[in-house]
Amino acid sequence: DTAVSQTPKYLVTQMGNDKSIKCEQNLGHDTMYWYKQDSKKFLKIMFSYNNKELIINETVPNRFSPKSPDKAHLNLHINSLELGDSAVYFCASSQPGGVGEQYFGPGTRLTVT
Amino acid sequence: GEDVEQSLFLSVREGDSSVINCTYTDSSSTYLYWYKQEPGAGLQLLTYIFSNMDMKQDQRLTVLLNKKDKHLSLRIADTQTGDSAIYFCAESPNTNAGKSTFGDGTTLTVKP
Repeated sequence: DTAVSQTPKYLVTQMGNDKSIKCEQNLGHDTMYWYKQDSKKFLKIMFSYNNKELIINETVPNRFSPKSPDKAHLNLHINSLELGDSAVYFCASSQPGGVGEQYFGPGTRLTVT
Repeated sequence: GEDVEQSLFLSVREGDSSVINCTYTDSSSTYLYWYKQEPGAGLQLLTYIFSNMDMKQDQRLTVLLNKKDKHLSLRIADTQTGDSAIYFCAESPNTNAGKSTFGDGTTLTVKP
């Protein structure tokens, strides 16, 4: 069974559109994250939720809005897409305490044309 | 804020040892991690070390931690072509807070 899943895997869209990426984890973790990996493979955290509450909100344009309907899901909605939003977006989850290992999804490659 | 730095590229020959280095600034780091990212996939935890340890060995992997210099290294013995990937160093000061700071990743290329 897939631990952290994301849909879609690929997303190609035009500038100005609004799109969503969905993430689900079946690990029972309390914390979920969104990361952006750019073309140089640098990984930057965007958001983190713990039990449906926002706990990390890095400097991200407010066109990006995360939503957590329950602790197993964290979706990312992006308004007015720009060329610079093209990247791979990774969802991850972890359980507070213990080793703090993060489990990553397979990524969503977003291409804005 | 916290910072984690790694060299961006490393190239070795198959069968040689690879050593990937990382430095970090947060003196309160509790856990330090090495994640591996294969092409087209997400990151996967490779190994970790608790801050009160100097060394951890797991089959071909050896992690060394110099807490005084805030330096972490990952040694891969007998490197294989399947080890070609991006390796990310990460640290967490408090696993209850759920935040890890990641380095920029080291791309390891293994040549036959």
